[in-house]
Amino acid sequence: EPEVTQTPSHQVTQMGQEVILRCVPISNHLYFYWYRQILGQKVEFLVSFYNNEISEKSEIFDDQFSVERPDGSNFTLKIRSTKLEDSAMYFCASSEREGGYGYTFGSGTRLTVV
Amino acid sequence: AQTVTQSQPEMSVQEAETVTLSCTYDTSESNYYLFWYKQPPSRQMILVIRQEAYKQQNATENRFSVNFQKAAKSFSLKISDSQLGDTAMYFCAFMGSSNTGKLIFGQGTTLQVKP
Repeated sequence: EPEVTQTPSHQVTQMGQEVILRCVPISNHLYFYWYRQILGQKVEFLVSFYNNEISEKSEIFDDQFSVERPDGSNFTLKIRSTKLEDSAMYFCASSEREGGYGYTFGSGTRLTVV
Repeated sequence: AQTVTQSQPEMSVQEAETVTLSCTYDTSESNYYLFWYKQPPSRQMILVIRQEAYKQQNATENRFSVNFQKAAKSFSLKISDSQLGDTAMYFCAFMGSSNTGKLIFGQGTTLQVKP
């Protein structure tokens, strides 16, 4: 069964450093998403992306965050200057169609900011 | 703004028994989608079941079924014949009719299936 692949599975970074979280969506999917889950809390929407542009972003997705699909296969989330409160599990997801068909989520990247 | 509420932080059930997880939501939209996602200890998010609001028939996937009450804005998940592998966090989620595909999640319910 096709999978959404996220790398790395765990990343530790120093506060103030830039991090890039990588995702390879399912190949025929057109809609891409990032979510985050602070440990023990609910999953929160960050951003949706379609046709090489952001469709919607949440209040969490401020100027420190950016997304890119640089080469038609990878979908990346960059955090420019990490803060302690950015420590969370970050999930990438993709879907073939718009609307309520549900996504396929990746297995997540655990980001720890020290 | 849409909200999703899961009022049961933790539940437990004996293996082979039936358990129901509750979810309520708030929206002014008439057409939307509802989902249940399972998050086992591996932290992977797995789609369990989906419901389209304009369909009155409750969705069913094997041992998983929902009780969708549109007027009451309630969307509960019933797990029949519970198995040890059902132990996980379960999230209820809402998607509106806009085409951005944004999911709004509830706080989650931790379900433990006991042998």
